[in-house]
Amino acid sequence: AQTVTQSQPEMSVQEAETVTLSCTYDTSESDYYLFWYKQPPSRQMILVIRQEAYKQQNATENRFSVNFQKAAKSFSLKISDSQLGDAAMYFCAYRSGDSGNTPLVFGKGTRLSVIA
Amino acid sequence: DTGVSQNPRHKITKRGQNVTFRCDPISEHNRLYWYRQTLGQGPEFLTYFQNEAQLEKSRLLSDRFSAERPKGSFSTLEIQRTEQGDSAMYLCASSKVTVGSYGYTFGSGTRLTVV
Repeated sequence: AQTVTQSQPEMSVQEAETVTLSCTYDTSESDYYLFWYKQPPSRQMILVIRQEAYKQQNATENRFSVNFQKAAKSFSLKISDSQLGDAAMYFCAYRSGDSGNTPLVFGKGTRLSVIA
Repeated sequence: DTGVSQNPRHKITKRGQNVTFRCDPISEHNRLYWYRQTLGQGPEFLTYFQNEAQLEKSRLLSDRFSAERPKGSFSTLEIQRTEQGDSAMYLCASSKVTVGSYGYTFGSGTRLTVV
C-alpha cells in the first residue's frame, strides 16, 4: 500500500518570506499523481497544486511551486511571499494513476503559521 | 453550483445513538468519497461511489457504518450505535472521472462529537 509521510508537524514563516513543506511517499508504481491540499481552520480543504508523475517539469501555481524528485520519492511545496491567509494545515496526497480507481492517500499534515 | 455541501455541520450525540450525515456533491461529478479525519491526522478513506455503485470500502468502515448513494446523487453516511471513538470530522468529496480531471472537491465536513 502507498504511504505518504510529512515529517514536519508544524512550521512557521515570516510574512513575505519563503517556506518549504516536505513530503515523501512510498510506492512501487510508476504512474501516479501527487497533490498538496490546504485546510484553513474550520474551513474546507482546497486543492493548492498537483503534479503528474510522468511530467519532469515541476508544477507552479502563482506563489506555490513544487520540487518533485521522482527517484527520491519526494514532493515538497514551496510558498513564496507568504501571506497571512496562507496559515493553514497543508496535506500532501497521493493517487495511483489507474484512471482514478483508487482514492487519495493523505499524509498527516503540516500546520503552517504565518507571523506578521 | 455551490460546491459540495454537507449537513449537518456539527452533530453531538450520546453514545449508542445512531447518526446520519448527508453529502450533496457537485451535480456533474459522478464520483463521491467519504473520508474521516481525527484531530492531528490527515483524512482517512472510508468508501467511495461511482454513480450509485459503492465501489470500495476501507477496513475502517466497520459494520456499524453504512453509506448509500441512491440514484447517484446525494449520499448518506450512517453510524449505528455510536462510540466515543467515532468522534471525528467526516469529509465528503466529489470528482469527475474524465481524463485530465484528477482533483477532488471537498465539502466543509460534519464534525461528530460522541459524549
